[in-house]
Amino acid sequence: DTGVSQDPRHKITKRGQNVTFRCDPISEHNRLYWYRQTLGQGPEFLTYFQNEAQLEKSRLLSDRFSAERPKGSFSTLEIQRTEQGDSAMYLCASSLLGSSGNTIYFGEGSWLTVV
Amino acid sequence: QQPVQSPQAVILREGEDAVINCSSSKALYSVHWYRQKHGEAPVFLMILLKGGEQKGHEKISASFNEKKQQSSLYLTASQLSYSGTYFCGTPDTGTASKLTFGTGTRLQVTL
Repeated sequence: DTGVSQDPRHKITKRGQNVTFRCDPISEHNRLYWYRQTLGQGPEFLTYFQNEAQLEKSRLLSDRFSAERPKGSFSTLEIQRTEQGDSAMYLCASSLLGSSGNTIYFGEGSWLTVV
Repeated sequence: QQPVQSPQAVILREGEDAVINCSSSKALYSVHWYRQKHGEAPVFLMILLKGGEQKGHEKISASFNEKKQQSSLYLTASQLSYSGTYFCGTPDTGTASKLTFGTGTRLQVTL
């Protein structure tokens, strides 16, 4: 049983460039979440999907951010025209709705550094 | 609104006990506890469900007071491997909604 996997694990990009992160959830999980975390803070919710439907987006998710989960399996998070303030760890997580109180399991995260 | 954790940080010697608290201003449907080591992702420890059911870790226990909208995580006979930052997460509306994470408690266990 593989866990949540994210790619790339580390990304350094110049300000103004676009970046895309991919997340593969635990295979039977129907929910997929994206969180962002900066040093010293807890994970902040960005958005989540149930199957392919995007059910909620945080106000943190500006127009430069877009997430997709086209076939209800893997998901991508794209950040356009990156800014230095986007530097953070982007965490993907998944859960199986209806089981064990909707326990959420995180991937190892994708570190983004905008220079 | 974000749950509030206390203390913010604690230093223990190996073998000592610790309690970490999580308080919410909203009704609690469940409480999820995670531990995060530096540079790594949060790892699920335990979930406490309304009604008292607890699922998770063998050596760490927790309580859930629905009336007081609080949860406490109990770490007994701490080990070096317990070091990290502990977060509680609470669903916004019902057990099925997304989690909002607390402010975090940094725990350091020393020899």
